[in-house]
Amino acid sequence: AQTVTQSQPEMSVQEAETVTLSCTYDTSESDYYLFWYKQPPSRQMILVIRQEAYKQQNATENRFSVNFQKAAKSFSLKISDSQLGDAAMYFCAYREPTSGTYKYIFGTGTRLKVLA
Amino acid sequence: GAVVSQHPSWVICKSGTSVKIECRSLDFQATTMFWYRQFPKQSLMLMATSNEGSKATYEQGVEKDKFLINHASLTLSTLTVTSAHPEDSSFYICSGGANLNEQFFGPGTRLTVL
Repeated sequence: AQTVTQSQPEMSVQEAETVTLSCTYDTSESDYYLFWYKQPPSRQMILVIRQEAYKQQNATENRFSVNFQKAAKSFSLKISDSQLGDAAMYFCAYREPTSGTYKYIFGTGTRLKVLA
Repeated sequence: GAVVSQHPSWVICKSGTSVKIECRSLDFQATTMFWYRQFPKQSLMLMATSNEGSKATYEQGVEKDKFLINHASLTLSTLTVTSAHPEDSSFYICSGGANLNEQFFGPGTRLTVL
């Protein structure tokens, strides 16, 4: 079965600095989607960034970028110029391929604290 | 992005009663919606896949007779917690998308069973 692992329960970063959140996953599929979601105290899940496994180029969204290493099954999130509003729980998620049931499998999450 | 609403946002009920939670897609149609459960400081655990016009698909370990799911239209899925007990207290989140490449999450419903 597919699994998603986030080994950092909590991370801290100084405002304006850069932080990297780690995520590894296990799958035997070759085509799939990976996501990073942000969950602030409001509990509303917000999509941060998405990566298609068939694309070699790493996804980027403004201050957020990923380092996707398909062979190593690693999908880390880099947040540049961290802002106080980035403080939240971050979940890495894997989506089963089109031949599957489209289920999302979430990691255990990393709580990010941003220090002023 | 698209908007998914949930109602109610929080509910308190007595043990033994049933509670219905609604999940609506406001600006798109969704043939498939998902229901998750999140305990404090934990991740989202998929409970079931809600399919419009057909039976829901439940994850292993989720009691389908306790967590009734109805997907009556392309914009509405409901989760009914029957004969609720304190251990059912949790945060319930639904998600949906016009296509399955992107899911939008509802704001969640906090259920407290006394």
